[in-house]
Amino acid sequence: SQQGEEDPQALSIQEGENATMNCSYKTSINNLQWYRQNSGRGLVHLILIRSNEREKHSGRLRVTLDTSKKSSSLLITASRAADTASYFCATDAGSQGNLIFGKGTKLSVKP
Amino acid sequence: KAGVTQTPRYLIKTRGQQVTLSCSPISGHRSVSWYQQTPGQGLQFLFEYFSETQRNKGNFPGRFSGRQFSNSRSEMNVSTLELGDSALYLCASSLEQPQETQYFGPGTRLLVL
Repeated sequence: SQQGEEDPQALSIQEGENATMNCSYKTSINNLQWYRQNSGRGLVHLILIRSNEREKHSGRLRVTLDTSKKSSSLLITASRAADTASYFCATDAGSQGNLIFGKGTKLSVKP
Repeated sequence: KAGVTQTPRYLIKTRGQQVTLSCSPISGHRSVSWYQQTPGQGLQFLFEYFSETQRNKGNFPGRFSGRQFSNSRSEMNVSTLELGDSALYLCASSLEQPQETQYFGPGTRLLVL
């Protein structure tokens, strides 16, 4: 079953704009991660935020976590065409100790 | 360090056949997880191996199996292939725990005809 659900499912923006993606989850977590996947390829880890953290930055990425609302957001500032990809959140709430991924947000950045 | 590698990258099989996919984790990583990705179901966890033992298993039928060798390399096998097994199979490695940062390979795209 899906734990994380990203919103929106698809997002189209112009280069230079900011992109915000949201993730909601159902059960308590120890950490939440964001991954990027370019078309049909493997996933690339972007950032991990632990349950006791509220915000984390990495370059042009900013992730927030609100455990009371069971939600997280990923902000990509000053987007570039190369940011075009699918973005997934993953939580460590798998009953078998595995990561559970959402279905992703497909981001399209137009030059 | 070299990244996670998966072979083969592409595979075409027919229904009823079996297939073996291989994954070499990042050097020093002992946990290897496998996922199936399809447009309809998204990324689904298959199983995770650590120190040659299957530590976790997802909700897939027994036709899906795997193993891990002493050098942490892992294989997964799918027997009696069905059309619905067509997917991108992704392998990911992590140091010790699958809940921590996972490093993914490029995937093996399997097409079952």
